[in-house]
Formats: sequence, C-alpha cells, structure tokens
Amino acid sequence: DTEVTQTPKHLVMGMTNKKSLKCEQHMGHRAMYWYKQKAKKPPELMFVYSYEKLSINESVPSRFSPECPNSSLLNLHLHALQPEDSALYLCASSLTGDYGYTFGSGTRLTVV
Amino acid sequence: GQQVMQIPQYQHVQEGEDFTTYCNSSTTLSNIQWYKQRPGGHPVFLIQLVKSGEVKKQKRLTFQFGEAKKNSSLHITATQTTDVGTYFCAGPWNYGQNFVFGPGTRLSVLP
Repeated sequence: DTEVTQTPKHLVMGMTNKKSLKCEQHMGHRAMYWYKQKAKKPPELMFVYSYEKLSINESVPSRFSPECPNSSLLNLHLHALQPEDSALYLCASSLTGDYGYTFGSGTRLTVV
Repeated sequence: GQQVMQIPQYQHVQEGEDFTTYCNSSTTLSNIQWYKQRPGGHPVFLIQLVKSGEVKKQKRLTFQFGEAKKNSSLHITATQTTDVGTYFCAGPWNYGQNFVFGPGTRLSVLP
C-alpha cells in the first residue's frame, strides 16, 4: 500500500458545525502532516506529528484540532469555522521528516 | 527571515519546447525537494537533492542543486501536455527538517 487515504473528499459545513477530516496510511511512515491549500497558492503547513506526537503547530487557530490516535491515522477536528477557512486540506506522510512526502488527494472544504 | 522565490510564476510553452523553473533561497539549505501538482490534483513528490552541485535525471526531467546549496532548478526537455501543472520546490526553510513549499511555477503546454 503506497497511498495516503483522506476522507471525505468533499465537505460542506456551517459555521456552527463540528466535523472531522480523516487521514490514513499503511506505509509505516512515522511523520504525518496537515497542510491547507488555497486556490493558486502553495500548500501551507499546519501541523506535524512525529512518532505520534505533535511536534509543530504553526500558529493555527484553535478551531482546528489535530489528533493522532495511532501511527497510521491522523484526524483534523473542525469546530466553528469561518468562510475564509474554505480550502483544500491535504494530509501527507513521510518515513521521517528527511524523506519525500506522500500526499493524499485532499478534502475540499467549504464553510457556509 | 528565510525566503524562497520561484521563477517564473507562470510559463506557457508550445508542446515540444523546453521548460526550466528556478528556486532561489536566501539561506543555505540542507536539501531540497520538488513536487508536481496537476490541476485539481494533489502534490506528487518528484525528487530530493542533498549534495552541493548534485544533478539528477528522470527521463525528460533534470534537477540541479546549486554549488552553494541556495538554489535549484528543474528542466523539462521537449514538453508534453502531460507536463501541465504547478511545480513546487520545498525546503526546510522555517522548521528545520520539515518542509515548506515555495510559491510554485505554473506550466501550461499548448498542443
């Protein structure tokens, strides 16, 4: 298995909703990442998990809450989002931080 | 702070023409990676360069890492319509070994 699987592929949520994005990999990668990408912009790093521990949180608002239940799974819990949070949310993994990243196909999030 | 530039921002080429994108850093990098993202797709890892002056080839793609390890280039020979997409360099600019993406070069190939 050489893939990173993200669900759902599309999500529309209201500003008062709570939802979760899920990411799964079975490549034995020990680093996992959440990126946010706006149209025609590069991916922006949000969170880094290394060996299931949060190692980087790049000043992301608390309405985004990451979770790493085990070495294969990564979640991003969403609560009280704003319309400007609408974007493509990408999960990635790598063997360690020194290796190329494998990205999932992303969740396209729309906040209404 | 550390900054990265990619030039050009956009490039339109006729199919069969060559294409080059450049990635320039204000600081020395330990390594650099290149990714391709097709329209509507997700970034796909192409290569990692580690050594000063390193040159790597993948079929029609040639990657170089500068001698000072502050710049890199990606050259595509005889472009095809399948080369369309945005090419990003990524480096450990802000977070040590964790990679941050450059602004990207968007390539269009006209048949």
